[in-house]
Amino acid sequence: EVHLVQSGAEVKKPGESLRLSCMTSGFSFTSYWVGWVRQMPGKGLEWMGIIYPGDSDIQYNPSFQGQVTISADKSISIAYVQWSSLKASDSAMYYCVRQSGRKLVPDYWGQGTLVTVSS
Amino acid sequence: QSVLTQPPSVSAAPGQKVTISCSGSSSSIGNNYVSWYQQLPGTAPKLLIYDNDKRPSGIPDRFSGSKSGTSATLGITGLQTGDEADYYCGTWDSSLSVGVFGGGTKLAVL
Repeated sequence: EVHLVQSGAEVKKPGESLRLSCMTSGFSFTSYWVGWVRQMPGKGLEWMGIIYPGDSDIQYNPSFQGQVTISADKSISIAYVQWSSLKASDSAMYYCVRQSGRKLVPDYWGQGTLVTVSS
Repeated sequence: QSVLTQPPSVSAAPGQKVTISCSGSSSSIGNNYVSWYQQLPGTAPKLLIYDNDKRPSGIPDRFSGSKSGTSATLGITGLQTGDEADYYCGTWDSSLSVGVFGGGTKLAVL
């Protein structure tokens, strides 16, 4: 059974750095795309980007490129998204997702990680 | 503003049928597979339909999907109060090279 288990909720101050993790199991981590979707409070879903751990190929949404870094450690089947300097506007729920192909959309979702950025 | 357009809300009585539309373009729905997701209050989205009209294992056949041209439709029959949720369509956009979602449709089962 496919599982995507995300790290816990975070409360940060503007300017701080952050890394979220997504522990995966139940599928071959190096044969699928894993990525992140943002949902701001009361809003819809935004596709941030995906990584193919098999060769570290990454596809970013231009709206998020330069704002976040997506990475993966294939030795432990964990994907990450990180920020070097958070803004209040980064406050949102972030979902880890799996995709069966690069030009597809998610099939499995993690439980979500709530990030709150406030001074 | 979302690349895919959905109605903000739909409603129907228990036991009835409802459809939710999702309108895109030739670069999105017109040339790519559509998925549909159900997001119950306070939970993560769950895949309901993939590849336009296929249901994952465990999804009841009350849920159906179809696609025609640059639009897609989710149908739900035999509505139950437990179906009250936000529903999202999603697809790849070949021009933007990103995954895109509709703005979501809130279903009320009155």
